[in-house]
Amino acid sequence: QKEVEQNSGPLSVPEGAIASLNCTYSDRGSQSFFWYRQYSGKSPELIMFIYSNGDKEDGRFTAQLNKASQYVSLLIRDSQPSDSATYLCAVRNSGYSTLTFGKGTMLLVSP
Amino acid sequence: GAVVSQHPSRVICKSGTSVKIECRSLDFQATTMFWYRQFPKQSLMLMATSNEGSKATYEQGVEKDKFLINHASLTLSTLTVTSAHPEDSSFYICSPGPLGQETQYFGPGTRLLVL
Repeated sequence: QKEVEQNSGPLSVPEGAIASLNCTYSDRGSQSFFWYRQYSGKSPELIMFIYSNGDKEDGRFTAQLNKASQYVSLLIRDSQPSDSATYLCAVRNSGYSTLTFGKGTMLLVSP
Repeated sequence: GAVVSQHPSRVICKSGTSVKIECRSLDFQATTMFWYRQFPKQSLMLMATSNEGSKATYEQGVEKDKFLINHASLTLSTLTVTSAHPEDSSFYICSPGPLGQETQYFGPGTRLLVL
């Protein structure tokens, strides 16, 4: 059974702070890792994906992957109230399989 | 990213009726369509995978006779919830393939409420 675990939150941070969202996964064969943002009542939108160990930066977002620890995280710098949403971690074990999602972490950014 | 539309965005129906949800891939040919369901405060769960011109593959626990999927063209896939019951109330989201894409995009979703 492939599992993706996330703390449900909410994670509360003040505007301008760094938000750190974490995700662990059970399948060591997992090869690609995705972060999605989902606003209430909306479908998920892709923030970024990462394949290799280390950091990947895209604007205010940084994804970090540690395959040995089976851990992936998302850092959001200079958090804005508009970043308040649920962040879903998703894992794929090969290019020919579907995504397994975590339940998501709710992030609340206060002005 | 892929442009995907779903119709309707929201539907309320009586128990026992059937509801059809359309998913259109607007800017590329989707040989595969993934259908997900999301209950409140839960994760997205894959229901079935449809391939253009062939029968859909359903995940364990999903009744194929209740959730009819048709993928007749490369741009359109439909999910029909037959004889809907209140426990079928959920957020249904489609996502076009093909497999092997680096990323996976989602349609805007259809909120189904069965009374």
